[in-house]
Amino acid sequence: AQKITQTQPGMFVQEKEAVTLDCTYDTSDPSYGLFWYKQPSSGEMIFLIYQGSYDQQNATEGRYSLNFQKARKSANLVISASQLGDSAMYFCAMREASGDDKIIFGKGTRLHILP
Amino acid sequence: EPEVTQTPSHQVTQMGQEVILRCVPISNHLYFYWYRQILGQKVEFLVSFYNNEISEKSEIFDDQFSVERPDGSNFTLKIRSTKLEDSAMYFCASSGLSGAFGSGTRLTVV
Repeated sequence: AQKITQTQPGMFVQEKEAVTLDCTYDTSDPSYGLFWYKQPSSGEMIFLIYQGSYDQQNATEGRYSLNFQKARKSANLVISASQLGDSAMYFCAMREASGDDKIIFGKGTRLHILP
Repeated sequence: EPEVTQTPSHQVTQMGQEVILRCVPISNHLYFYWYRQILGQKVEFLVSFYNNEISEKSEIFDDQFSVERPDGSNFTLKIRSTKLEDSAMYFCASSGLSGAFGSGTRLTVV
């Protein structure tokens, strides 16, 4: 069974609009962390934001915020005021506290920002 | 801010040749990882390394692959006798809250 599910293979959004990228996860571990990464066409994996399972508040980093709904096992990324440079592949990922802390990735969502 | 560094950024190799991909993880991290991303596909876990030995490996990480921490700072992935299907982006990572990844090595096997 997939641990991380990203149901949107691609999205088109008008510049300056907000965009929500969906992510659901599956774990029985009470302690885990959720990540979002951006991968531009150059290929590097850029860390955007992190949410711990015990964090009371949703994580925010500049224009990025993580809409964490623990009961629904959902960790959507919200990008406010989108910019052309936001066009990239976005990966949701999870790390479970048990085991060796490896990160498991979803299949990604390709975001296109339209001028 | 400390970061994970990888070299080379690109490598082209002939099928059947051995390649070594190099990484310098963040110095006070304990776990180190290699991941692979075939073009256009998801990022796949290969192997984790802790206390100078493999902690966990995926089914992708067969006898063709090996990892080493030769000198306490570098962390290497060796691929023996490369195949065309080994062409991919290889990412190194080390443990920590930030989930920091290196910028990757793009390996092309021809």
